[in-house]
Amino acid sequence: DTGVSQDPRHKITKRGQNVTFRCDPISEHNRLYWYRQTLGQGPEFLTYFQNEAQLEKSRLLSDRFSAERPKGSFSTLEIQRTEQGDSAMYLCASSSGDRDDWGTEAFFGQGTRLTVV
Amino acid sequence: AQKVTQAQTEISVVEKEDVTLDCVYETRDTTYYLFWYKQPPSGELVFLIRRNSFDEQNEISGRYSWNFQKSTSSFNFTITASQVVDSAVYFCALSVFSGYALNFGKGTSLLVTP
Repeated sequence: DTGVSQDPRHKITKRGQNVTFRCDPISEHNRLYWYRQTLGQGPEFLTYFQNEAQLEKSRLLSDRFSAERPKGSFSTLEIQRTEQGDSAMYLCASSSGDRDDWGTEAFFGQGTRLTVV
Repeated sequence: AQKVTQAQTEISVVEKEDVTLDCVYETRDTTYYLFWYKQPPSGELVFLIRRNSFDEQNEISGRYSWNFQKSTSSFNFTITASQVVDSAVYFCALSVFSGYALNFGKGTSLLVTP
């Protein structure tokens, strides 16, 4: 078990460009989450997948953001037309549980730090 | 709406001192989970504990202990005999019934010096 893996670890992009991040969850975990963390703040929830289904999205996830989890394995988070306000650490987490389970322990990756210049 | 408040932004202690990190939460739900996570400089959040709203028993795990009091909506975390390796940012989080998101506080940065 190698834990939750995120790629890249760091990304610098120019404003207006599109970026895509990848998350590989712990292999037996069917749940996957994306969070965003800015300096001095706690992580903020963005979205949640149960297998390949995206079941919950935060209002923070504007139209420029899209997340996918094809085949219920890895996930990608794409940000289109990046803005300076998108600069943050993007964290991925995974856990296991049935649809009716809640409050399960989530395991986090080391995150992708995005800097928009 | 749910809210988690960690009023202590930064705490600095000398090694071997005991330290308590405060967490106060707000929710209208009667069924919920509370969590503590540790974020070392490497950035990866590490799960420490989960407690459901029906279990007010305090818990001890080695040098770590947690005090859950529903009457004051608090879930405080104490490190006994702190060590330099305890230096990190600690987050308290709340998850309500049928919700999948963790609602985090802003975190408390703990610095333990030799």
